[in-house]
Amino acid sequence: EVLLVESGGELVQPGGSLRLSCAASGFTFSSLWMHWVRQGPGKGLEWVSRINSDGSITNYADSVQGRFTISRDNAKNTLFLHMNSLTVEDTAVYYCARGESGRYHFQHWGQGTLVIVSS
Amino acid sequence: QSALTQPPSVSGSPGQSVAISCTGSSSDVGSYNRVSWYQQPPGTAPKLMIYEVNNRPSGVPDRFSGSKSGNTASLTISGLQAEDEADYYCNSYTSSSTYVFGTGTKVTVL
Repeated sequence: EVLLVESGGELVQPGGSLRLSCAASGFTFSSLWMHWVRQGPGKGLEWVSRINSDGSITNYADSVQGRFTISRDNAKNTLFLHMNSLTVEDTAVYYCARGESGRYHFQHWGQGTLVIVSS
Repeated sequence: QSALTQPPSVSGSPGQSVAISCTGSSSDVGSYNRVSWYQQPPGTAPKLMIYEVNNRPSGVPDRFSGSKSGNTASLTISGLQAEDEADYYCNSYTSSSTYVFGTGTKVTVL
């Protein structure tokens, strides 16, 4: 069974930093693209970032480019999202999602972790 | 990258059909058959319903179907059921090697 478990979400002050983690199991983590998607309170889904299987290729939404960094540790089957210069607009539930080999959709999602940016 | 445009809400009685549109541009929906649709009941993670415009994952009822014409994709729910009440989001890959979601549509079963 594919399992994605996010952690690391918490209350942080504007301008602060945070690192989210996503522990993966039930599949060959090192062979697939991984993504982060977020959803602000009462808002829609927003794609945030993706990383390829060996970590050599990353892409970001314009809204987080230069502030967020996606990375992965294939030895530990873990995906990360390093978030800097956080603003209130970054308040959201952050989901990790698995890419599908050669495809462009997200079949497996974690349960999400809540990040609140507030003073 | 602007969000794809969806109607805020659609509704129908049980057994009826409803359609949700998803309008993008030649940089996303219009350029690729890489459109997917997600169902999200309140307080839950999204669930994949359609991928690559018109393909259903295993376990998704055949009441759900997808299509695309030009820069607009559509999700149709035929034979609407109470359990279909949820928010629905489209998604497309883009020419910038990123992804973009739609604004979301709330489906209400009357």
